[in-house]
Amino acid sequence: GDSVTQMEGPVTLSEEAFLTINCTYTATGYPSLFWYVQYPGEGLQLLLKATKADDKGSNKGFEATYRKETTSFHLEKGSVQVSDSAVYFCALMMDSSYKLIFGSGTRLLVRP
Amino acid sequence: GAVVSQHPSWVICKSGTSVKIECRSLDFQATTMFWYRQFPKQSLMLMATSNEGSKATYEQGVEKDKFLINHASLTLSTLTVTSAHPEDSSFYICSASEGGTDTQYFGPGTRLTVL
Repeated sequence: GDSVTQMEGPVTLSEEAFLTINCTYTATGYPSLFWYVQYPGEGLQLLLKATKADDKGSNKGFEATYRKETTSFHLEKGSVQVSDSAVYFCALMMDSSYKLIFGSGTRLLVRP
Repeated sequence: GAVVSQHPSWVICKSGTSVKIECRSLDFQATTMFWYRQFPKQSLMLMATSNEGSKATYEQGVEKDKFLINHASLTLSTLTVTSAHPEDSSFYICSASEGGTDTQYFGPGTRLTVL
């Protein structure tokens, strides 16, 4: 079945460091891909998305490119801040169902 | 932005009792609502999808008689865990969508502990 695999955390970085969180997927068709972020005590929020191959989603300095050839959607940010500390979830959605399939989440901790 | 609330945020109950969790869309009409379950350090697993005024569609392996879902209005869905047991202890999260869109807005979750 369709699935999403994320790198295990926690990921601990110093402020202003470069961030990469890996995400790969398995799907029978051509899914839309998402990154959600969950700050402590809050619900998941959509961070960015891409709906077709080679699309780049971006928001708040975060970017991810839909790579069909490697079935990946890695999340990157050039310079993280303490306020970026959260849990990040990669997810896919097949067009017709509107159902989200999530990865296991990656906790990011950014130290001052 | 769109806000989804859940109530209660946490609940403790005795084994054998039933617990109801509410999910409300505060500033939009939610044609579709989703219920997820999250175990510690694990992913969110979709339990069921509900459309306003219709019966919920449950994912494979989810007992529909145990997890009763009602979506009676465009702003409210409820999940009732019937005859709860310790293995039902988990974090339950709802999301809501305006329908015909891939955007879901998530509630903050409800932690259920069954003693």
